[in-house]
Amino acid sequence: ELKVEQNPLFLSMQEGKNYTIYCNYSTTSDRLYWYRQDPGKSLESLFVLLSNGAVKQEGRLMASLDTKARLSTLHITAAVHDLSATYFCAVDELRSGSRLTFGEGTQLTVNP
Amino acid sequence: NAGVMQNPRHLVRRRGQEARLRCSPMKGHSHVYWYRQLPEEGLKFMVYLQKENIIDESGMPKERFSAEFPKEGPSILRIQQVVRGDSAAYFCASSPNGGAPWEQYFGPGTRLTVT
Repeated sequence: ELKVEQNPLFLSMQEGKNYTIYCNYSTTSDRLYWYRQDPGKSLESLFVLLSNGAVKQEGRLMASLDTKARLSTLHITAAVHDLSATYFCAVDELRSGSRLTFGEGTQLTVNP
Repeated sequence: NAGVMQNPRHLVRRRGQEARLRCSPMKGHSHVYWYRQLPEEGLKFMVYLQKENIIDESGMPKERFSAEFPKEGPSILRIQQVVRGDSAAYFCASSPNGGAPWEQYFGPGTRLTVT
């Protein structure tokens, strides 16, 4: 069974600081996705990583994928309050018919 | 182009009642996925359907839960004889084809509360 683990699960940081969220998964896959969820809302797609070594950046967020290590990172640079949300990574198991397996989520709070 | 629509957005049911959750995929999308999110947890896959076919129901509880996606109309997730543990947010996602998860678009969710 595919397992996807995120760490940390809770992250409280100050504005202006940098931090990294880690996503480990247990099976061979080269397709990983990052989503943002605000309280009571649906999921917003942030990044789609489709190959080993993929790196994507959008604003203060940068995501990377290392398929050999089965690890993805979401790096936050100079955090601002608007980034407060829960962040999920999800893995697409190649033989699954494209269902997604999600991590538990990282609840990020950025304090002024 | 309207996005994925789900209704109702909030649903309250007493224990033992039935809950029906509806998902209208984006225009041109014929694949629907249902996920459940328990409080403070990630989303868990439940079922994957194409029009008139269940493709993968490996995440569905064995009893009380069923799903359909008829030729016409929305996909329906049906929960019979609800229990408190069914309280969760239920999200559907749609895609134009089944091989591209990066084309899955999520609906706003239905938040089910069982009292």
